[in-house]
Amino acid sequence: EAGVTQFPSHSVIEKGQTVTLRCDPISGHDNLYWYRRVMGKEIKFLLHFVKESKQDESGMPNNRFLAERTGGTYSTLKVQPAELEDSGVYFCASSLLTGKNTEAFFGQGTRLTVV
Amino acid sequence: KNEVEQSPQNLTAQEGEFITINCSYSVGISALHWLQQHPGGGIVSLFMLSSGKKKHGRLIATINIQEKHSSLHITASHPRDSAVYICAVIGNQFYFGTGTSLTVIP
Repeated sequence: EAGVTQFPSHSVIEKGQTVTLRCDPISGHDNLYWYRRVMGKEIKFLLHFVKESKQDESGMPNNRFLAERTGGTYSTLKVQPAELEDSGVYFCASSLLTGKNTEAFFGQGTRLTVV
Repeated sequence: KNEVEQSPQNLTAQEGEFITINCSYSVGISALHWLQQHPGGGIVSLFMLSSGKKKHGRLIATINIQEKHSSLHITASHPRDSAVYICAVIGNQFYFGTGTSLTVIP
């Protein structure tokens, strides 16, 4: 069974450009989470989808970040325009259920470098 | 203050040593993950715990819900165990510790 997959694995863009990250969760997982790890800091929650709906987007840093999950399958995270401080590793995770004893599966991450 | 605190931040051990990494959290949780990240690699979930203790090979994880504390133990450590180990708790969202960077020297 395929795990959580993320594309691209690595992206280098210039400040002011746009980048779109993609996450394909495990098939059938309604819950999809985005996180990021900025250099030297802990992993921070960005948002949580349940199917196509945003359950919690309290971690989104500002309006330059836009996440979508059309059809409740894969999700995209767009950064427009990218700033230097957006550099980091963006992780996606999915889970079948929420709540007690829910196991989450993580993707390999997308390493974003803004120069 | 971070909702999840890990210690130590960095750990160097000789091959064969017994290793303990600690995690304390301040939020109410339904479960706790121990995650592993190799350099340049993605995150792998080692354990998910909601109570008691779990063991996979040389890895043992324990959790004390009342004390809001979990430990990850590695017995007979090996250089291939070198990685960043991250504690993550599931409350109303995931909260992550800053990670413990482990280096096992041959």
